[in-house]
Amino acid sequence: GDSVTQMEGPVTLSEEAFLTINCTYTATGYPSLFWYVQYPGEGLQLLLKATKADDKGSNKGFEATYRKETTSFHLEKGSVQVSDSAVYFCALRIGFKTIFGAGTRLFVKA
Amino acid sequence: DAGVTQSPTHLIKTRGQQVTLRCSPKSGHDTVSWYQQALGQGPQFIFQYYEEEERQRGNFPDRFSGHQFPNYSSELNVNALLLGDSALYLCASSLRDSNQPQHFGDGTRLSIL
Repeated sequence: GDSVTQMEGPVTLSEEAFLTINCTYTATGYPSLFWYVQYPGEGLQLLLKATKADDKGSNKGFEATYRKETTSFHLEKGSVQVSDSAVYFCALRIGFKTIFGAGTRLFVKA
Repeated sequence: DAGVTQSPTHLIKTRGQQVTLRCSPKSGHDTVSWYQQALGQGPQFIFQYYEEEERQRGNFPDRFSGHQFPNYSSELNVNALLLGDSALYLCASSLRDSNQPQHFGDGTRLSIL
């Protein structure tokens, strides 16, 4: 069945470090791919999306590229800030259903 | 412009009881999806409502049912509650175009004793 696998956390980085959170998916058909973020005490928010192969989604310095050949959608940021500390969820949408990964908690130290 | 609102924020029930959770979508949205998020896990899709009908369902038993009203608000009903139903229940709204992003509410925390 359709599924999303993302790297386990927590991930702990120092401020200004490079971030990668790996995400791979299994899907029948052609899903849209998303990264959502949940900041402490807040609800889920869409961070970025890509709707077809080779699309790059970007927002707030974060980027992810839809790689059909490797079924991946890895999240990257060149220089993280303390304010980026949150839980990040990779997700795919196929039909009307959205499937989420288990989430990766990121801690950024000053 | 109000976002997605859910009520109540917290709820405590006992095994075997029934519960109803409510959701008002973001202004202008006509589609509502419900998710269950267990502690430390990602949200799991329960079902989606559009034009007052369930149009896709995840892998949840028939104890989970829903309804959408003409004003696009929605209810999630769970019968014969089990301990394993303890979770955060999230509502998300969107426009009918499936490529449009969903907007999430803050959820209802349901605890089963």
